[in-house]
Formats: sequence, C-alpha cells, structure tokens
Amino acid sequence: GAGVSQSPSNKVTEKGKDVELRCDPISGHTALYWYRQSLGQGLEFLIYFQGNSAPDKSGLPSDRFSAERTGGSVSTLTIQRTQQEDSAVYLCASSPRDRGGSGELFFGEGSRLTVL
Amino acid sequence: LAKTTQPISMDSYEGQEVNITCSHNNIATNDYITWYQQFPSQGPRFIIQGYKTKVTNEVASLFIPADRKSSTLSLPRVSLSDTAVYYCLVGDTGFQKLVFGTGTRLLVSP
Repeated sequence: GAGVSQSPSNKVTEKGKDVELRCDPISGHTALYWYRQSLGQGLEFLIYFQGNSAPDKSGLPSDRFSAERTGGSVSTLTIQRTQQEDSAVYLCASSPRDRGGSGELFFGEGSRLTVL
Repeated sequence: LAKTTQPISMDSYEGQEVNITCSHNNIATNDYITWYQQFPSQGPRFIIQGYKTKVTNEVASLFIPADRKSSTLSLPRVSLSDTAVYYCLVGDTGFQKLVFGTGTRLLVSP
C-alpha cells in the first residue's frame, strides 16, 4: 500500500509569508508526528497527534507554528510569517499502534522549506 | 522521557562488524528501544526494535542487557551502502512524544 505522503516536496518562500505543509499518513494509522531537520542536524520533535486526544504541542518552537489533523487522518503544519531560520526539512511520520507492543514510525520523504 | 546518548560518528571498512551503543539510563517500564537508519535526503526508516535480551532480523541484531540502560545495534559485515546516520529511539511508539537523539554518523570505507 501507499506510504506516508508529504507535499509539497520542495517549497521556496519569501520571508514573512505563510506556508502550509501537508501530510497524508498511512490509512488507519492513529498516531502522527511532525519533526524538523535542519541541514546536517538531527530530528527535532514538533508535535504529536494520537487519535482524538489533544495533541502534544510541546515541541513547537514559537506561536508562528501550528498544526491540525482533520478527521484523524490528514495533517497540516502551518508556519506563519516565515523566518530564514525556519528553513529545514519537515518530516511527518505515522504509526499504527495496532498491537500490544510498541510499533514503528513510518516516515514520509519530507518537505524541504527554504525561506529567502 | 528517556534521553539517549550515542557516539557522534564511527568509521568502519567493508566486511567488518559494526556495533553502535546507545545509553538510556532513565528508560521507563513501557519503553521499547528502536533503531532507525537515515540516508541523505530521505526520511528515517525502521531497522529493528526490542524490549529486552536479544533481537535479530535479516539486517541487524539488537542486544539489550537486563537493566535495559543501554543497547547495542550490531551490523554484520557492513557494506558501503550502510553509510548513514543511525538513531536510537526510546519510548512507546504511538502513545507518547518521541524525541530523537543526535544519532551516529557511520562511514563505511572500501
């Protein structure tokens, strides 16, 4: 079946503009994660959704960042008034959480954001 | 949240066995240990997962001592294509936020 799909794969924007990044998780996966990865760096946790529970937003770096997940499926990460330091690859991952033990994260290919 | 510590980088040669150790002193009872591999310009992908003792699959082995405060990923007979960043992740996937550590950059040379 299809994996985690992210769009756009590349986005170039001007400083101060708003951007939306989309993630389509694997069908039936209840958990969804967003991470940010700057060039040559590790993965920075941003936000986590699990089913209908309130999301864990503790990793969002500022109030310019927000995310929602509609119908327990598609998620959108929105960055308002983008800054140059927002330039990074934004990775989405989903997990089925369908068995007693822990599961694995399935990652998309990421959305590369460049803020000029 | 269990914090993980790994070596920043490792070097090896083709055909050698590589062992990467991860420390996670405050691992919780419900936490699993999962290793991911990441190539440039790609998302991480799952390698192996374990809870205790030893787990082996077609690509790697995972050794976990009884106290679970560390784990070792073993890659047998590495090839050039194993050059990547390897992340040790501790947590209960899907039921909590998962924080990745810095990862280990493995370079395999001819």
